[in-house]
Formats: sequence, structure tokens, C-alpha cells
Amino acid sequence: EDQVTQSPEALRLQEGESSSLNCSYTVSGLRGLFWYRQDPGKGPEFLFTLYSAGEEKEKERLKATLTKKESFLHITAPKPEDSATYLCAVRPAGNQFYFGTGTSLTVIP
Amino acid sequence: ETGVTQTPRHLVMGMTNKKSLKCEQHLGHNAMYWYKQSAKKPLELMFVYNFKEQTENNSVPSRFSPECPNSSHLFLHLHTLQPEDSALYLCASSQDLSGGALQETQYFGPGTRLLVL
Repeated sequence: EDQVTQSPEALRLQEGESSSLNCSYTVSGLRGLFWYRQDPGKGPEFLFTLYSAGEEKEKERLKATLTKKESFLHITAPKPEDSATYLCAVRPAGNQFYFGTGTSLTVIP
Repeated sequence: ETGVTQTPRHLVMGMTNKKSLKCEQHLGHNAMYWYKQSAKKPLELMFVYNFKEQTENNSVPSRFSPECPNSSHLFLHLHTLQPEDSALYLCASSQDLSGGALQETQYFGPGTRLLVL
């Protein structure tokens, strides 16, 4: 059964304290893995698309990596404005997309 | 700001009402999606359209009826809803479903917050 699990469920960081969010998946034939950021009351905002193991993408303080079983979203020296829920989604074979429940990140000044 | 707009942003309806949610994308995409987002649950894919043709219906109750008149517009018609249908309904679009991850990257609208009384 296709499945996506994100951890931790919630994360509190001091400003400048780097950390990583995890997205582990079990799907048949991964065609793409996607990271999104969602602020309260808003729709998810696209961050990264990854589609092959070993791939890495960077944007400002964020870096996403992909292996055959999981993806990490590394946050370097986070700022309070990075506070949001981060969602991971996978696209297996077939016209389906599966999302995890997200990691709620709070960055304290 | 994301190129995908949804109206209304908020909707309160009784169980006997009929209402429709509207989604419009200005990105030149050919695939559109409806998702349901409930508290503490992952986004649930409801319907998928590719070049105006429905490709997926994930066992969604018939009280939800989608319509895609063209590649830029998507509707979700609602009737005889239940209180458990209260949720954030999100529309998304992607270039298409051609099999390339970049083409299948989805861009979301702000959502419609639905409350069923």
C-alpha cells in the first residue's frame, strides 16, 4: 500500500538553529516527490520537485534531498518567517498523489 | 498570487442546500485537481482532470459532483452534504499528467473553507 509518513509532527527551533524534516515513503514506482509549505488559512505553496535518488534542490535556507526510501528538508539558520507547516507528497505510478500529514515548524526569535 | 483562484473563500451551508465551488487557473495548465483537507489528516485527492477528461474519482460520495468545462475552470457541485464534509477544499493545477515530475508539479489555490450545519 502506498504510504507517506512525515516526522516529527511538530518542531520548535530557536532562530538560527538548523534542523531537518523527514518524509519517508513506500510507493510503487516513484515518479516524483514534492515539498510544499502551508501557512494557516492558505493553500500549499510549492517548494521543490525531486524525482531521482541522489537529487538535491536548494532555495534560500531550504535544501531538499531524496533517497530511495525518504526525503529530507534541511533548514539552515531558520528565521521566524520560516514558521509554517511543511508538506511532503509523492506521485507513484497511476494518476494518484499522496500527501503526508505535515510537520508544523515554529521558529522562535 | 499563485495563479490559481478559488471562490468563494468561505461557505456555510445547510445539509439540504445546493452550492458550487469554483476554481480558475491562469497558468496555461491542462490538469486540474480537487482535494479535501481536514484537520490532522493528510490532503485527500478527490478528482483529477487531464485535458478536461476525468481520470480519477477516488471513491468520493455522489453528493460531490465535479465539472471541468475547459482546461482553465473547475467546479465542485455540492448537494445534500453532511457535517463531516466540513473542511478546506483545495483546487490545484499542473502542466499535465504526461509522466514528467516537473509537468506534474501542482500549484494550489487558497481554498474554500466549507462549514456544513
